[in-house]
Amino acid sequence: AQKITQTQPGMFVQEKEAVTLDCTYDTSDPSYGLFWYKQPSSGEMIFLIYQGSYDQQNATEGRYSLNFQKARKSANLVISASQLGDSAMYFCAMRDVAGGSNYKLTFGKGTLLTVNP
Amino acid sequence: SAVISQKPSRDICQRGTSLTIQCQVDSQVTMMFWYRQQPGQSLTLIATANQGSEATYESGFVIDKFPISRPNLTFSTLTVSNMSPEDSSIYLCSVGGREAFFGQGTRLTVV
Repeated sequence: AQKITQTQPGMFVQEKEAVTLDCTYDTSDPSYGLFWYKQPSSGEMIFLIYQGSYDQQNATEGRYSLNFQKARKSANLVISASQLGDSAMYFCAMRDVAGGSNYKLTFGKGTLLTVNP
Repeated sequence: SAVISQKPSRDICQRGTSLTIQCQVDSQVTMMFWYRQQPGQSLTLIATANQGSEATYESGFVIDKFPISRPNLTFSTLTVSNMSPEDSSIYLCSVGGREAFFGQGTRLTVV
């Protein structure tokens, strides 16, 4: 069974600094996808970044990058130059790609990020 | 990328009543997913909705409580039936695909 672990219930960062949110995963499938989502207090789930298990390079999307270490089964999210608007809950998720893109996601418990001015 | 419109965005309902949540996608998608997020918790999959067939429910969720319709490839509804305060949650729909986008969510409070 797939499992996602986010060990940081809460994180604090100063505005304009970088922050790393941890995510480790466990799966026996060789093919899988890893996701990060941002959930502000409004409740919507905002897609940030995706990494496939066979992607050769770490994914990047603007200020977001995913530090993918396959041997360690970790997929940490790095946010550069933090902004006050980055304060939100962040969820790491995994999908079994062997089931195709039409397959459910398994989520971690989330990390609440607070950006201080 | 798919654009997903979900409504209502929030509602306060009396116990014993039902609420139907709608999810409209701007493109045709094979699968749609319905998740529940209880207060302070992570997301849990309720069911997977495939057009033209019965929805597939996860363990702990039943069709009588959470009936789902999928009349075409761009639309789905989730009904929360005979509500109790324990049903107070955020309900989210999602579509498959590389980025797995979500609707805006429905924040339900049952009183």
